[in-house]
Amino acid sequence: QKEVEQNSGPLSVPEGAIASLNCTYSDRGSQSFFWYRQYSGKSPELIMSIYSNGDKEDGRFTAQLNKASQYVSLLIRDSQPSDSATYLCAVIDSGGNDMRFGAGTRLTVKP
Amino acid sequence: GAGVSQTPSNKVTEKGKYVELRCDPISGHTALYWYRQSLGQGPEFLIYFQGTGAADDSGLPNDRFFAVRPEGSVSTLKIQRTERGDSAVYLCASSLIGGYSDTQYFGPGTRLTVL
Repeated sequence: QKEVEQNSGPLSVPEGAIASLNCTYSDRGSQSFFWYRQYSGKSPELIMSIYSNGDKEDGRFTAQLNKASQYVSLLIRDSQPSDSATYLCAVIDSGGNDMRFGAGTRLTVKP
Repeated sequence: GAGVSQTPSNKVTEKGKYVELRCDPISGHTALYWYRQSLGQGPEFLIYFQGTGAADDSGLPNDRFFAVRPEGSVSTLKIQRTERGDSAVYLCASSLIGGYSDTQYFGPGTRLTVL
């Protein structure tokens, strides 16, 4: 069983729409949750981090965490073509050091 | 200041050869991480340094892989007797103090191709 699972996509949304990206994880003791954006051929860059249940908003981005369901999501409001990238969900497990990534969801925002 | 840098950006080698990949973390960052990313996959954790010591090397796939950070700054990932399956992008990341709440900043990666 994969530790961090994401729908690989591709996910396609029109410009201005809300993009919803989902992630589940297997280690119930996981402590920290991250969303990274990775453009093709580039390295991952951090978008959001979340540590406690509920929602966390930063500009057009909202991260949602539900530890009971072992589920974390990322909403992108008013999607722009420049948001087109692969979005990686990452989890630091109960050991506190190792960050485990999902395979990523490829998002395309169409003008 | 400067971000994480990695050299070389690309490395092509032949099966069975030895390679070294270098990572220069953000100045002052005590934690350093190595990951490997294959095409279509997320980064896979290899090893984590806190200062000069390897705090967690549980992700190293086998004893052909070894990493050092002798002075607590620059790190070198060493791969012996390379195999075609080692072909991937090797990413380095650093963070200020390490631990579960600290942001990791990634370098541009080294693309390793084993022929």
